[in-house]
Amino acid sequence: KAGVTQTPRYLIKTRGQQVTLSCSPISGHRSVSWYQQTPGQGLQFLFEYFSETQRNKGNFPGRFSGRQFSNSRSEMNVSTLELGDSALYLCASSLWQGGTEAFFGQGTRLTVV
Amino acid sequence: GQQLNQSPQSMFIQEGEDVSMNCTSSSIFNTWLWYKQDPGEGPVLLIALYKAGELTSNGRLTAQFGITRKDSFLNISASIPSDVGIYFCAGQRAREEYGNKLVFGAGTILRVKS
Repeated sequence: KAGVTQTPRYLIKTRGQQVTLSCSPISGHRSVSWYQQTPGQGLQFLFEYFSETQRNKGNFPGRFSGRQFSNSRSEMNVSTLELGDSALYLCASSLWQGGTEAFFGQGTRLTVV
Repeated sequence: GQQLNQSPQSMFIQEGEDVSMNCTSSSIFNTWLWYKQDPGEGPVLLIALYKAGELTSNGRLTAQFGITRKDSFLNISASIPSDVGIYFCAGQRAREEYGNKLVFGAGTILRVKS
């Protein structure tokens, strides 16, 4: 059974640009959550999608958005990139919504210059 | 910022030693998870705990869900070099509105004693 797949693995963008990251969850899993990991703030929850609907949102500005497709694949978008958005973005896949184990992908390393 | 207090922040291990780390919170969680992260990789799930007082093992790893539901610990017995990495605790809250949202500790860095 394939794990969580995130693409791309690495990305370099310029301030002001926008970026889209992709996540394919484990087959059969319907919940996808996104996290930002930085040395200063650690792992911070961005949002969770289940059945194509955002179910939960963390404390991030509106520049961070996401969506989920009918096949459970998810994308997250960051607009008007800032230097502080440089981070490892991790996607977590869970079977169901609420109280189930979360399995992470390898992440996308975003560098904003 | 972090809502789970994880300690120690870092520690050095010598092969064969037992290692212990813990997480505490001011809030109640209904699930505790322990992850290990290697450089450049995503966190890998080690152990999941679902009931207060539950003690669960995975090979040389043992974790417990505290009775108060506000803490958890992870023990690694007879450590080996590949145990080096960063260990994170994570909690999920009791209410449905929180979904699968995880709150993470700051991590415990395990290094090899030279």
